[in-house]
Amino acid sequence: ETGVTQTPRHLVMGMTNKKSLKCEQHLGHNAMYWYKQSAKKPLELMFVYSLEERVENNSVPSRFSPECPNSSHLFLHLHTLQPEDSALYLCASSQGTFWTYEQYFGPGTRLTVT
Amino acid sequence: SQQGEEDPQALSIQEGENATMNCSYKTSINNLQWYRQNSGRGLVHLILIRSNEREKHSGRLRVTLDTSKKSSSLLITASRAADTASYFCAASNNAGNMLTFGGGTRLMVKP
Repeated sequence: ETGVTQTPRHLVMGMTNKKSLKCEQHLGHNAMYWYKQSAKKPLELMFVYSLEERVENNSVPSRFSPECPNSSHLFLHLHTLQPEDSALYLCASSQGTFWTYEQYFGPGTRLTVT
Repeated sequence: SQQGEEDPQALSIQEGENATMNCSYKTSINNLQWYRQNSGRGLVHLILIRSNEREKHSGRLRVTLDTSKKSSSLLITASRAADTASYFCAASNNAGNMLTFGGGTRLMVKP
């Protein structure tokens, strides 16, 4: 266990559904991240929150909407997704902001869009 | 943006042998990190090496960094079947505002 939990672990949704992914870290970290991992592609950074403020948005489609209500919780709201959005979605946290600290990853949510 | 690229993409060895994976990057870095991922799971941090360091050890892991060649290597000694996983390098640029992961090396250790 890395101290980062994600729910659900698996999710199947239709293209018209709305769902949310949840991430919680128990490490007292200041920064949290959402990544997308598709088959045969490098890990893609989606969003970064530092001290609950979004600091990075790598041109992610608006059908993905993050929310960080406090430093321990991170959500990814999903709506009208496409089949190509099927992937493993990973949440991570780190002690400090930006990239000079190691990141702790959750187990991921395997998302399938039908 | 810079990117860590691992080599080889896949590696198969016998238990007890050493495994070496390489990572190349394109621009100056602040640090380089290695992660392991078991199939379909989250990544686990292994080692972080800073740009002013040349070598770090952690148990059976040894990481080297050659900033002149813009490359790093991860050596796993006396491999075990449990080391079977994908290994990723991630490079942080000098501004410290980007960590870019490579595509990974899939390591299989046969018992």
